[in-house]
Amino acid sequence: SQTIHQWPATLVQPVGSPLSLECTVEGTSNPNLYWYRQAAGRGLQLLFYSVGIGQISSEVPQNLSASRPQDRQFILSSKKLLLSDSGFYLCARKEGLADTGELFFGEGSRLTVL
Amino acid sequence: GQNIDQPTEMTATEGAIVQINCTYQTSGFNGLFWYQQHAGEAPTFLSYNVLDGLEEKGRFSSFLSRSKGYSYLLLKELQMKDSASYLCAALDSNYQLIWGAGTKLIIKP
Repeated sequence: SQTIHQWPATLVQPVGSPLSLECTVEGTSNPNLYWYRQAAGRGLQLLFYSVGIGQISSEVPQNLSASRPQDRQFILSSKKLLLSDSGFYLCARKEGLADTGELFFGEGSRLTVL
Repeated sequence: GQNIDQPTEMTATEGAIVQINCTYQTSGFNGLFWYQQHAGEAPTFLSYNVLDGLEEKGRFSSFLSRSKGYSYLLLKELQMKDSASYLCAALDSNYQLIWGAGTKLIIKP
C-alpha cells in the first residue's frame, strides 16, 4: 500500500529558530508531492509542489523553502521562523497520473512558534 | 479573484440528514472535491464531481451544478463519527486546488 509519513508530529519552536519537517512516501515511485499549510479558520494553502527529484515549485513567497533530495522524500525548511509560520503542515501525494486525481495526506505536523 | 464559500459551522442530530453547501468562483473549472477532516487529523478524500448531477456513495452523496457554481455534500443517517470538518475544494483551469475554510459539523445525540 502507498503511505505517507511525516515527522515530527508536533513541535514548539521559538521565533528565529530553524525548521525542518520531513515527509516520506512508501509504495510508489515518482509521485507528485505537495506541502500545504492549514491555519485555523482558513482553507489549505499550497506552499510547494514537486514533480520529481530536485524539482520544486513555490506557490507563495515566504521564508520557507522545500527540497526533494530523493524520489520519495520531501522536506520543508526555514532558516528563521516567524510567529505567522504557526499552523498544521500537511504533506500530500496525488493519486494516479491525472491532474484531477485526489490527494492523499500524511498525518500532519503541528507547528507552534512562540 | 478565486473564492470558495461554505458555512463555518452546522449542527445536526444523530440519524438525521444534513446538506453542506459550497459555492465557488474560479478561473476555469476542472472539478470539485469534498474531503472530511476529523479534529487534529489530515483530510481524507470523499468525492469528486466534474459533471452536473448527483453522485452517491453509501450514506454520502455529492451534487454539482456548474452553471450555478454550486455543490453540496449530503450526509444521511448521521452517526456520531460523522462529526468533523468538511472541506470543499475546486480545481481551476491550471489544475490547482482552491480550498474553502471548511464546515465544522457537530452531531448531537
